[in-house]
Amino acid sequence: GAVVSQHPSRVICKSGTSVKIECRSLDFQATTMFWYRQFPKKSLMLMATSNEGSKATYEQGVEKDKFLINHASLTLSTLTVTSAHPEDSSFYICSARSDRESNEQFFGPGTRLTVL
Amino acid sequence: GQNIDQPTEMTATEGAIVQINCTYQTSGFNGLFWYQQHAGEAPTFLSYNVLDGLEEKGRFSSFLSRSKGYSYLLLKELQMKDSASYLCAVMDSNYQLIWGAGTKLIIKP
Repeated sequence: GAVVSQHPSRVICKSGTSVKIECRSLDFQATTMFWYRQFPKKSLMLMATSNEGSKATYEQGVEKDKFLINHASLTLSTLTVTSAHPEDSSFYICSARSDRESNEQFFGPGTRLTVL
Repeated sequence: GQNIDQPTEMTATEGAIVQINCTYQTSGFNGLFWYQQHAGEAPTFLSYNVLDGLEEKGRFSSFLSRSKGYSYLLLKELQMKDSASYLCAVMDSNYQLIWGAGTKLIIKP
């Protein structure tokens, strides 16, 4: 089956620093990747949709200057949390939609970010 | 607006059967998904329904009625490892997933 990886799986950083999270589709090309954020005991919240070679589309309320998304290739999207603050601590999950099965999203394992 | 409703929490006994319901109101419909999520992990795909009817996959089955905006996930022969949250998600006309808040399923011995 299709595999999506995320790196790192866990990251702890100091307030004010920037953190980059990578999302890779390992065995398929993903024209579209999605970034979600999950708060404890709540559903996933879509942050942005990333299409290869174009600017990401952000959901309402998501600061695009704070959460920088780059989808440079058909297998890689990155999310950079700039000037992180403790309230940015969360579980960030990416998913990818393949060309072959466009109605299904394959999820990455998630990245737990803790900002001290 | 778009809305997905599912119960917050359910409890069932090991070896029994449980049905988790999901009702939805979305702008367009391109399929309904069920995901399983264990605490601290990303969701894993369970099923996809786009046509009315029942889809069976081992111990798990999923049912869809588009006219009623209704789906359920049926879990048979429950095992302790089935304790998890079950997320219902609908793909709207823009091919984006609208998520329910999830149903926490507690399995008791």
